[in-house]
Amino acid sequence: DTGVSQNPRHKITKRGQNVTFRCDPISEHNRLYWYRQTLGQGPEFLTYFQNEAQLEKSRLLSDRFSAERPKGSFSTLEIQRTEQGDSAMYLCASSTEGAGELFFGEGSRLTVL
Amino acid sequence: EDQVTQSPEALRLQEGESSSLNCSYTVSGLRGLFWYRQDPGKGPEFLFTLYSAGEEKEKERLKATLTKKESFLHITAPKPEDSATYLCAVQGEGGTSYGKLTFGQGTILTVHP
Repeated sequence: DTGVSQNPRHKITKRGQNVTFRCDPISEHNRLYWYRQTLGQGPEFLTYFQNEAQLEKSRLLSDRFSAERPKGSFSTLEIQRTEQGDSAMYLCASSTEGAGELFFGEGSRLTVL
Repeated sequence: EDQVTQSPEALRLQEGESSSLNCSYTVSGLRGLFWYRQDPGKGPEFLFTLYSAGEEKEKERLKATLTKKESFLHITAPKPEDSATYLCAVQGEGGTSYGKLTFGQGTILTVHP
């Protein structure tokens, strides 16, 4: 399978715990994006990497959120001290430079109790 | 700030009953308008990119069109397997990356046999 891979697919955690999601993009794609989607809404942009550089972050990305892409390949999104409002689907997408269309993974669903 | 509004929120059709979904947008210079399909619990699947008014794209029973203020997704003789949420997104020139998309809330399409 050469698509975007995300894991875990589902995560249930208690308020205050830390969680980490991993994304493996399509191998030839140098751009990687994180989006968040809540029920009944479209995805909202969180952050963007070109290779290993994080070039843009949304104001939605509070200080409790951190994303990395250490070698320009896979990426991680960590949420510290989770809150119930963090419950959502976290989507990763990738693209080639110059291409507008994004290819999304299946998403990681977070439930904070 | 870029904005996307989709209508209707939900659409129920009988198999074979053609219809259209609407996407109205405001953007500071359109780089691209994108249509995605999303099945429950899955990530969005790319369908079309439109770049300029008057452009049309087709794929099987779907045809997307674009004007300066809105886009339509026409569904001809739909089948039950076309049931999904259809998302519209725009990328404006105000963004610094091709992947920073602004999504609408989606139209939930249900096709009954």
